[in-house]
Amino acid sequence: GNSVTQMEGPVTLSEEAFLTINCTYTATGYPSLFWYVQYPGEGLQLLLKATKADDKGSNKGFEATYRKETTSFHLEKGSVQVSDSAVYFCALRATGGGNKLTFGTGTQLKVEL
Amino acid sequence: DTAVSQTPKYLVTQMGNDKSIKCEQNLGHDTMYWYKQDSKKFLKIMFSYNNKELIINETVPNRFSPKSPDKAHLNLHINSLELGDSAVYFCASSQGDRERANTEAFFGQGTRLTVV
Repeated sequence: GNSVTQMEGPVTLSEEAFLTINCTYTATGYPSLFWYVQYPGEGLQLLLKATKADDKGSNKGFEATYRKETTSFHLEKGSVQVSDSAVYFCALRATGGGNKLTFGTGTQLKVEL
Repeated sequence: DTAVSQTPKYLVTQMGNDKSIKCEQNLGHDTMYWYKQDSKKFLKIMFSYNNKELIINETVPNRFSPKSPDKAHLNLHINSLELGDSAVYFCASSQGDRERANTEAFFGQGTRLTVV
């Protein structure tokens, strides 16, 4: 079956530090890959996505590249801010899967001054 | 202008009660979902409807029954609530048929259910 593995948190960084949150996946077919963000007390918001190999998704300074050879979709940001503190979810949607998203366990990020 | 709205936002109820959570989307999407988020933030799909037809029904107790009166609404009814049902329930919607995979899902704000 399909699955997503992402690094466990919490991850604590100082403001302006470099962020990497690792994500790897297992899927049949050709999945699309997503990063969602959940701010405290809120629902999930799409952060970025990539729908085919070598695509790079980017938004708000965050980037992730769809690497088919390593089945990875690591999230990066060059300089984090306190406002980036949230839980980040890596997810995939595979063809023929009834459109459902399969999520990783989520990684909590805390950014301190 | 809320895209996916669910009510109520908070629900506190006693064990054994029956409750419903409502969800509506104004995005014109074909597919709607219910996800459950547990206390460790893990998200798991419960149900998915495409044009009012049930297409995903994961291993969920039959006390949970979704109902889709039209493609813009997907309600979740829970009978005989148990302590373990306490969680945050998210409604979501997306465009596209069962075979396409490249469209994202839009989520509601969540309903925090607490069973006491």
